Amino acid sequence: KAGVTQTPRYLIKTRGQQVTLSCSPISGHRSVSWYQQTPGQGLQFLFEYFSETQRNKGNFPGRFSGRQFSNSRSEMNVSTLELGDSALYLCASREAGGEGYTFGSGTRLTVV
Amino acid sequence: GDSVTQMEGPVTLSEEAFLTINCTYTATGYPSLFWYVQYPGEGLQLLLKATKADDKGSNKGFEATYRKETTSFHLEKGSVQVSDSAVYFCALNQGGSEKLVFGKGTKLTVNP
Repeated sequence: KAGVTQTPRYLIKTRGQQVTLSCSPISGHRSVSWYQQTPGQGLQFLFEYFSETQRNKGNFPGRFSGRQFSNSRSEMNVSTLELGDSALYLCASREAGGEGYTFGSGTRLTVV
Repeated sequence: GDSVTQMEGPVTLSEEAFLTINCTYTATGYPSLFWYVQYPGEGLQLLLKATKADDKGSNKGFEATYRKETTSFHLEKGSVQVSDSAVYFCALNQGGSEKLVFGKGTKLTVNP
């Protein structure tokens, strides 16, 4: 069974640009969550989608947005990038009613 | 709000030493508790979990017991190996929420 796939693995963007990150969950998993990992703040919850609906949102500005498609694949978008958005962005998926979350390897975003 | 506190690292041990990484939590209700491990350049891997008081999670020689009276979920291993070198995260999840709340992580280095 394929794991959670995140693309791309690495990205370098310039301040002010926007970026879209992609996550393909494990087949059959309908819940997809996104996390930001930085050395200073650690792991912080961004948002969670289930059946194309955002069910939970963390404490991030509106520049951070996401969506989920009918095949459960998810994308997150960050607009007007700031230097502080440099981070590892992790996606996790879970089957309905399951206890464990499976994480992808992440997308390393560097804003210069 | 809910929070997780882990012992600060880094922790450096010799091979075959005993490992304890302390984790305490603050939460309303009865959360599920997790330990995740992150190897360099990778995402998070679920190491073990416990969903109710007195449950013991175990995997690959690691163990942790859900202690409701002390709100703790300490990670232990009797004999660490060099391959256990990684960052370990304690996390909780409240029932009904898809959000994982993480501790800051503890970096473990095991020397031969």
